[in-house]
Amino acid sequence: DGGITQSPKYLFRKEGQNVTLSCEQNLNHDAMYWYRQDPGQGLRLIYYSQIVNDFQKGDIAEGYSVSREKKESFPLTVTSAQKNPTAFYLCASSARLAGPYNEQFFGPGTRLTVL
Amino acid sequence: DAKTTQPNSMESNEEEPVHLPCNHSTISGTDYIHWYRQLPSQGPEYVIHGLTSNVNNRMASLAIAEDRKSSTLILHRATLRDAAVYYCILRDGGSGTYKYIFGTGTRLKVLA
Repeated sequence: DGGITQSPKYLFRKEGQNVTLSCEQNLNHDAMYWYRQDPGQGLRLIYYSQIVNDFQKGDIAEGYSVSREKKESFPLTVTSAQKNPTAFYLCASSARLAGPYNEQFFGPGTRLTVL
Repeated sequence: DAKTTQPNSMESNEEEPVHLPCNHSTISGTDYIHWYRQLPSQGPEYVIHGLTSNVNNRMASLAIAEDRKSSTLILHRATLRDAAVYYCILRDGGSGTYKYIFGTGTRLKVLA
């Protein structure tokens, strides 16, 4: 089955610690994205990548970092610089970045809680 | 970025049609209208998209106003599994940008 996997589903971290969220896709998609969702809110774009070894900041990149060393993987690190990291994190992919009709496929999400 | 406006919530009875409205008065000529839905504690999933003409697929229909300043997502027979938050999104087709701007969406409640 093709799709996007995110792990872990739930993650707890102590304040001041960095934590890395995993995102893997086997859809052979070029573009990948990370979003953050707070309770009762829509999704906000953190980072996106259109090809391997390339990525750009989204609207709320401060306190986050990413890497894209492989086409199928786009891990997100939440650093201690992120002031309010408790949220639901969603990874998505699409066949390519550009184009107005590219369907984005989303993973099941990781719920991060800072204790 | 062009914005969309949706009602916060709507209710429907099971097996009845549902019309979910979206206003996008600042839409540009190259903006595509996309709809996604998000079930509780899951990632969003694609529903439908269109530019000018009405569109149908296995999940829903999209009716676009002639002036394109509004659109309506139509679920022909609502089921309990359709209870979700529905997002109406504009995506710029002219500049090839990447952005989906997700608003707060419409929370659809389906009554048995």
